Amino acid sequence: DVVMTQSPLSLPVTLGQPASISCRSSQSLVYSDGNTYLNWFQQRPGQSPRRLIYKVSNRDSGVPDRFSGSGSGTDFTLKISRVEAEDVGVYYCMQGTHWLTFGGGTKVEIK
Amino acid sequence: QVQLVQSGAEVKKPGASVKVSCKASGYTFTSYDINWVRQATGQGLEWMGWMNPNSGNTGYAQKFQGRVTMTRNTSISTAYMELSSLRSEDTAVYYCARAAGIDPWGQGTLVTVSS
Repeated sequence: DVVMTQSPLSLPVTLGQPASISCRSSQSLVYSDGNTYLNWFQQRPGQSPRRLIYKVSNRDSGVPDRFSGSGSGTDFTLKISRVEAEDVGVYYCMQGTHWLTFGGGTKVEIK
Repeated sequence: QVQLVQSGAEVKKPGASVKVSCKASGYTFTSYDINWVRQATGQGLEWMGWMNPNSGNTGYAQKFQGRVTMTRNTSISTAYMELSSLRSEDTAVYYCARAAGIDPWGQGTLVTVSS
């Protein structure tokens, strides 16, 4: 199974400051069709997860442009350019290249 | 809009089975796979498996092989996930989500396993 490792586990951030979450996979996520199936999800307290980013860097409709995804191969990053109060929650990366597996999650909280 | 609406909370005894439903609307049900993901309280997300609503083909995570069955009723655009031989560690919120892109998600169904 592909193991997804996220860091940090917890990320206290000052409002208006940037935040960055790392996600590493135990093997390359490049599929035979040339795509890399790496998604990012946000789960606010008490809510279902919501997809923010698909295929590494594509923002879903309605997702603020302060969220961005980057990376390749086995190394990926989610960045929030300026954290807002509504960004509090747990963020998960997920790979869909070799079946599906999720990272352990990163809790974003306001300092 | 695309929506997945799940059945309500369940309380089951150890050894019993539970069947959770997921009703799709706003798109052609048979055009996208349905995935099932669970989340124990305060824990992360765990993928359980997928089903193709058109063919009925399924794929299950190794951990759940032999205990999980995913089915569908295309006439009512509804997918089902049945988990058998329940134990306390199966207490979790169970989510359905559309396609391999995992979007959108249902609202979740809390399954509590307790004697």
